[in-house]
Amino acid sequence: DTEVTQTPKHLVMGMTNKKSLKCEQHMGHRAMYWYKQKAKKPPELMFVYSYEKLSINESVPSRFSPECPNSSLLNLHLHALQPEDSALYLCASSQVPGLATDTQYFGPGTRLTVL
Amino acid sequence: AQKVTQAQTEISVVEKEDVTLDCVYETRDTTYYLFWYKQPPSGELVFLIRRNSFDEQNEISGRYSWNFQKSTSSFNFTITASQVVDSAVYFCALSEDSGYSTLTFGKGTMLLVSP
Repeated sequence: DTEVTQTPKHLVMGMTNKKSLKCEQHMGHRAMYWYKQKAKKPPELMFVYSYEKLSINESVPSRFSPECPNSSLLNLHLHALQPEDSALYLCASSQVPGLATDTQYFGPGTRLTVL
Repeated sequence: AQKVTQAQTEISVVEKEDVTLDCVYETRDTTYYLFWYKQPPSGELVFLIRRNSFDEQNEISGRYSWNFQKSTSSFNFTITASQVVDSAVYFCALSEDSGYSTLTFGKGTMLLVSP
């Protein structure tokens, strides 16, 4: 089973709203990732959690706040977003943090629209 | 720094044609890993293959085959007898075995297979 689930599938929010994206995996993976993908572009890495600790933040604005409550769950809290933050947000997980040979498995993504 | 180039932005073929998607990479590491992912319109990135830098054997999986050539720093992907369901964006990616490893994606190639 290589399933990563994400909720919600679609989200529309205003610039003053606060919302959260959720990601879950039950593969026992200890690395979890958030990516942002704009149309016709490759995924861009935002955050990496290793053993539930934030290990990489790719200079993401503070209006995006990640959280890893346990080894299976990853959240992305959104606040005061801008229309240019509209994108597909992908979650991924892999078995061993930082290992080059490790395969990342992706969820179906959340399509976010900021009005 | 590592780099992945997918020079073909979009390819259109008719069903049953063979099609090759090109991937050229740059890295200074001697140990690295190459990946291909498929992203159908639904959005989820589906893992297809991982290849390490010491294994230059070609791989075949059903209608899919991969040709890895270190001499030209290429890792090309061929779909034989393409089908409409193969329509998707295909990403080639690289991870290096130094430091904390993350994926570097190419810009992707959109494949359109028409009936």
